[in-house]
Amino acid sequence: DQQVKQNSPSLSVQEGRISILNCDYTNSMFDYFLWYKKYPAEGPTFLISISSIKDKNEDGRFTVFLNKSAKHLSLHIVPSQPGDSAVYFCAASVRRTYKYIFGTGTRLKVLA
Amino acid sequence: GAGVSQSPSNKVTEKGKDVELRCDPISGHTALYWYRQRLGQGLEFLIYFQGNSAPDKSGLPSDRFSAERTGESVSTLTIQRTQQEDSAVYLCASSFRYDRTGETQYFGPGTRLLVL
Repeated sequence: DQQVKQNSPSLSVQEGRISILNCDYTNSMFDYFLWYKKYPAEGPTFLISISSIKDKNEDGRFTVFLNKSAKHLSLHIVPSQPGDSAVYFCAASVRRTYKYIFGTGTRLKVLA
Repeated sequence: GAGVSQSPSNKVTEKGKDVELRCDPISGHTALYWYRQRLGQGLEFLIYFQGNSAPDKSGLPSDRFSAERTGESVSTLTIQRTQQEDSAVYLCASSFRYDRTGETQYFGPGTRLLVL
């Protein structure tokens, strides 16, 4: 039972354009949503997060949007740069537990 | 400063053997997590340590899996009688304390386990 789903395994975007990575979830007990970035042979690194009481959080080129009614999360990267090429995981923390539930990842390729 | 380190980086073993994976968290980090990532899947939570106690072991897939932690430092994940479905990348993460925002959680590079 995949509670956090990233339905696009890969995405290619031209440098300078917007990258939009999507994530859907099923569990209404999630209270924080996170995005991580992973380069080959390295562990994931934290990118940005959003509380379930907000609908937008912005950090430089990265913005996360949360649509609670649709149980949908998206990460926007503007403008996209070749160094953004990586696998992006969305994750959610479960209220009153210590768990994080991760999606399967989307591989982003930014073309120069 | 030093990040989270894991050893070995790669491990190939035969089905039925026991393996031990090691995680050295960032100094001073009290919270430690183990995850695994099987091919084509997301990171799967295994266990969480706060200090040397494990308030949440719910992610351990079977009684062949166990983990321990010495004080607020090294943790070992042991898999007994390995099976081919145990093949995965095993990731460790640590944070200063439990942080549900994830902002302070740092991951190691992982141990790639292959069970033949």
